[in-house]
Amino acid sequence: QKEVEQDPGPLSVPEGAIVSLNCTYSNSAFQYFMWYRQYSRKGPELLMYTYSSGNKEDGRFTAQVDKSSKYISLFIRDSQPSDSATYLCAMSVGEAAGNKLTFGGGTRVLVKP
Amino acid sequence: EPEVTQTPSHQVTQMGQEVILRCVPISNHLYFYWYRQILGQKVEFLVSFYNNEISEKSEIFDDQFSVERPDGSNFTLKIRSTKLEDSAMYFCASSEWTGTAKNIQYFGAGTRLSVL
Repeated sequence: QKEVEQDPGPLSVPEGAIVSLNCTYSNSAFQYFMWYRQYSRKGPELLMYTYSSGNKEDGRFTAQVDKSSKYISLFIRDSQPSDSATYLCAMSVGEAAGNKLTFGGGTRVLVKP
Repeated sequence: EPEVTQTPSHQVTQMGQEVILRCVPISNHLYFYWYRQILGQKVEFLVSFYNNEISEKSEIFDDQFSVERPDGSNFTLKIRSTKLEDSAMYFCASSEWTGTAKNIQYFGAGTRLSVL
C-alpha cells in the first residue's frame, strides 16, 4: 500500500464550481498536512498547512483533516481558470524543521471558462 | 517576497558526467532540502541539511550524491557520475528553524536535469 494516495485526475470543472480534492494515507504517524499547488514545470507553492483534525479556511480554500480515517481534503470555492494546476498533498511526521515531506502523486485540475 | 532561487533552470549532460545543481535558499532559513520529481511521478525527498550536516537522507541519496553549503548563501547538490535514470526535475526547498510553523518548506522553481 502506498504511503500517500491521490487520484491523478484530471478533474475538469466549470468556472465558479467547487473543486474537491482528497488524499488518503496509511502511516498514522503523519501529523502535519500541507497542500501545494504546482503549475506546469514550476516548483510546488504552499497553499495550506494544517496539523489538527477539523477544518481550516483561507480565502477560497478550505482544508479538512480526518486523522481517524487518514483522509485529508482541499476545497476550492468559486474556482477560476487560474486555479488550473496540479494540486499536491504532502505530510510529515514531525513539526520541527528538517522533517521530510511525503507527497501524493498530485491531482491535475482544469477549470474551464 | 523572498523566494528560493535555483540555477540553471535546465541542465543537459552526458551519462557519466558530474553535475552541480545550485540553490540560494531564503536568507533567514536554516534548513535546506533537495527533492526530485521524475516526469509523471511523485515529488520524492532526497536529503535534508542543517548546520553543515546532513539531517536525513533517503535511499535514493546514495554515494553518487552529495550536498554542500560552500558559502553563506548557496546550497548545492552534486551528482558525481550521472545515469540516465537521474533525469528528473530537482527541487531545492528551505524552512525556518523557529516560529509557529517550523516545517513549512518553500520550494524553488526547480532544475530540469536531462541525462543523455
